[in-house]
Amino acid sequence: DGGITQSPKYLFRKEGQNVTLSCEQNLNHDAMYWYRQDPGQGLRLIYYSQIVNDFQKGDIAEGYSVSREKKESFPLTVTSAQKNPTAFYLCASSPQGGDYGYTFGSGTRLTVV
Amino acid sequence: GENVEQHPSTLSVQEGDSAVIKCTYSDSASNYFPWYKQELGKRPQLIIDIRSNVGEKKDQRIAVTLNKTAKHFSLHITETQPEDSAVYFCAASTSQNTGNQFYFGTGTSLTVIP
Repeated sequence: DGGITQSPKYLFRKEGQNVTLSCEQNLNHDAMYWYRQDPGQGLRLIYYSQIVNDFQKGDIAEGYSVSREKKESFPLTVTSAQKNPTAFYLCASSPQGGDYGYTFGSGTRLTVV
Repeated sequence: GENVEQHPSTLSVQEGDSAVIKCTYSDSASNYFPWYKQELGKRPQLIIDIRSNVGEKKDQRIAVTLNKTAKHFSLHITETQPEDSAVYFCAASTSQNTGNQFYFGTGTSLTVIP
């Protein structure tokens, strides 16, 4: 759907658990991004990756981890260190360099129970 | 780093009227400004963008203007329709060899009243 797929659509996490959100793209995009969306706060960058095996922290990286072992995949792990993980998580990708808009995934809504 | 501010946070207009959403940015090196529309529960979709070498761009009922001197850009929607109701985000980015990181505004919830 749109070349970038996020799963699951809904995820529930118990206190103290780590959970992993999946993001896969078949657009041959080099760059991938993870954003967190909270009501009234817009989109905040968690991590981004420009190339395989390399990634950079965004503005709110604490309590999250990522990996980029393949160009197509950029999973996000929400660790137990993230104290307020309930949010809507959006993955995006874009071609490397130049000025191109993002293609967004459909998002994962994470709820702590 | 870049700071993008967006106003208003909510906007209600009558069907057929125009809607204007404004954004300001802080980094004079920013050179690409996309606008996204996000319907309830769906992914943001790019609706229009503008680059720093252009002052205005139009696509049917949607237009974007850019004032580099004042560091602000605006989205204009004319002849609004109920299906225009959504949250709109502006963004700014600086194209670099390592890719383009976007900084988003906080969003404007637009309601078009039939």
